[in-house]
Amino acid sequence: SAVISQKPSRDICQRGTSLTIQCQVDSQVTMMFWYRQQPGQSLTLIATANQGSEATYESGFVIDKFPISRPNLTFSTLTVSNLSPEDSSIYLCSVEDLQGSYEQYFGPGTRLTVT
Amino acid sequence: LAKTTQPISMDSYEGQEVNITCSHNNIATNDYITWYQQFPSQGPRFIIQGYKTKVTNEVASLFIPADRKSSTLSLPRVSLSDTAVYYCLVGDDQAGTALIFGKGTTLSVSS
Repeated sequence: SAVISQKPSRDICQRGTSLTIQCQVDSQVTMMFWYRQQPGQSLTLIATANQGSEATYESGFVIDKFPISRPNLTFSTLTVSNLSPEDSSIYLCSVEDLQGSYEQYFGPGTRLTVT
Repeated sequence: LAKTTQPISMDSYEGQEVNITCSHNNIATNDYITWYQQFPSQGPRFIIQGYKTKVTNEVASLFIPADRKSSTLSLPRVSLSDTAVYYCLVGDDQAGTALIFGKGTTLSVSS
């Protein structure tokens, strides 16, 4: 299994600013995933971050708005840029277990409120 | 990726068995069926995964008929702490494959 921490756990930001969310894993993993969960909704995949290469973004998400860094095998950041109230969501990172089942482990999430 | 359909919500009482059915008519040969559980203010947590027939672990059972076009998550003797959203996911069980979540089923357990 993997233990994932995220910072900050929550934040309130003004529109037009940016927030960088950190995701730390207690073991080395190849793939990390970033999701968004809007209030009362399911999870939506934002991008897949592979160490040493550019992140792969899903339809509707672009690098200018959601730049991702993946400097090593245990850490990643997601920045939500030029914030608007529509960006108010919970942002979660996850990693996959490479010990056979490929189940994914999720961080606790970062609750972002944009005012 | 196969689309899944689940009930939006279910209600139950403590001690009852709860069965949540998921439809996935377009499931592919290489697809596995996986269920995740999400409590409020937490990330989803893996419950169980199966390919066909029946799988059981310490938390739940997963029943998959021969045609694999549906699956049923069975939670024995639920308690208040089982109140959560349950997601059925269908996809290729390969490394590097992201999870695609449907709407999920909100299970409410009352005393």
